[in-house]
Amino acid sequence: QKEVEQNSGPLSVPEGAIASLNCTYSDRGSQSFFWYRQYSGKSPELIMSIYSNGDKEDGRFTAQLNKASQYVSLLIRDSQPSDSATYLCAVGLSGTYKYIFGTGTRLKVLA
Amino acid sequence: DAMVIQNPRYQVTQFGKPVTLSCSQTLNHNVMYWYQQKSSQAPKLLFHYYDKDFNNEADTPDNFQSRRPNTSFCFLDIRSPGLGDAAMYLCATSRTGKDGYTFGSGTRLTVV
Repeated sequence: QKEVEQNSGPLSVPEGAIASLNCTYSDRGSQSFFWYRQYSGKSPELIMSIYSNGDKEDGRFTAQLNKASQYVSLLIRDSQPSDSATYLCAVGLSGTYKYIFGTGTRLKVLA
Repeated sequence: DAMVIQNPRYQVTQFGKPVTLSCSQTLNHNVMYWYQQKSSQAPKLLFHYYDKDFNNEADTPDNFQSRRPNTSFCFLDIRSPGLGDAAMYLCATSRTGKDGYTFGSGTRLTVV
């Protein structure tokens, strides 16, 4: 059974701080990795994708991938109260068109 | 704007009464997915289509069926809803199956 694991939180950070969210996965053959933001009662929204080892930056968001350690992270700089949401990590299963989601980390940014 | 549209946004059905949820897309994406998400849980994949090729997850109950009559539309049929089927149902599309999803707004199903 392939798995994606995240700390459920809540992770509380003050406004303006860096929020660090982590995800581990079990499928060594996975090649595609995604972070989604989900507000309460809403559907997930794609915020970052990463396919290669290293860092990928987009605005205030940085995704980090380490395939050897089977680890993906998301950094949110200058966190805002509007960033308060659940962040879902999704991993593409090797040899398929399917993604497996983690249970999400709930982030609270305190004003 | 190109998008994924789910109807209805909220659906209340009676225990055991068949219900159909619909999803349409204007993105012309090849892959369409149905996920079930219960409160504070990860989205759980029920089915996916690559074009007309249907893929059923091994643990998807027989009570759930799906149809994709053309590229744009996909339906989720629940033949005899039970109380445990109350959830948010999410439709998603992907252009290649290797890129990120575009989700619809979801259908919140309540079973009474």
